Amino acid sequence: EAGVVQSPRYKIIEKKQPVAFWCNPISGHNTLYWYRQNLGQGPELLIRYENEEAVDDSQLPKDRFSAERLKGVDSTLKIQPAELGDSAVYLCASSLETRDRGSYEQYFGPGTRLTVT
Amino acid sequence: AQSVTQLGSHVSVSEGALVLLRCNYSSSVPPYLFWYVQYPNQGLQLLLKYTSAATLVKGINGFEAEFKKSETSFHLTKPSAHMSDAAEYFCAVRTQTLSGGSYIPTFGRGTSLIVHP
Repeated sequence: EAGVVQSPRYKIIEKKQPVAFWCNPISGHNTLYWYRQNLGQGPELLIRYENEEAVDDSQLPKDRFSAERLKGVDSTLKIQPAELGDSAVYLCASSLETRDRGSYEQYFGPGTRLTVT
Repeated sequence: AQSVTQLGSHVSVSEGALVLLRCNYSSSVPPYLFWYVQYPNQGLQLLLKYTSAATLVKGINGFEAEFKKSETSFHLTKPSAHMSDAAEYFCAVRTQTLSGGSYIPTFGRGTSLIVHP
C-alpha cells in the first residue's frame, strides 16, 4: 500500500512569490491534515479536512494561505505571497476516522521543505 | 486547552543503555496520547498510542510507554538502545473539545535521541 505522497520535496522561492504544495493521502482515508514544522519544533496544525469539508482551520493564516481538497482526495496548500517566516517543512498526514476521532493514528508524508529567500 | 511538554530537547545514551524520554500532558478531559518518531528528511511514524485501555502500552522497535494519570505523564522507554534509534521523538495528545466537537492533535517540541557507540 502506498503511503502519503507529497510534492515537491524541496522548494526554494524568493519572498513575495507564490508557492503550492500537493498531497495525495492514503487511499480510503477520509481525514487529511496539513501541518507546518519549524526547525527544532513539533508539527503545528494548519488545517484539517473531513472529506471535502475544511474543519479546524483556526491556525491557518487566511490572508496568505489557502487550501483545498477536491473530491475529498488530493489536497493543495498554497501560500501567496510567501514571507521569509514561512520557511519550514510542510507536512501532510491522513487517517481514517469515524465516530471516535481521537484514537486514530495519522500517517505522515515526507514533507515539503520550503526555503524563502 | 491541551498541551504537551517534552522535558529535554536532547537525550544522549550509550548503545545498550536504557532510553527514557519524558512527556507530560495537560488536558481537561481524558486524553489520547501518542509517541511518534521522525528520521531525518522523513515524516513522522507512529511508535505507540494510549487509548484508555491498558496503561502500559507496547509499541514497535521495542519501545513502550506508561500512562500515569496522577502524574499526567506518558514517558517513553526502551531497555536497550540501538544505534538505529537515533532520531527525533515527538509526544502528542488528542482530546475532544469541551463542546464534544473536534479532536485536535497537539505535538510537543520533540526530543532528539543521540546514541553513542
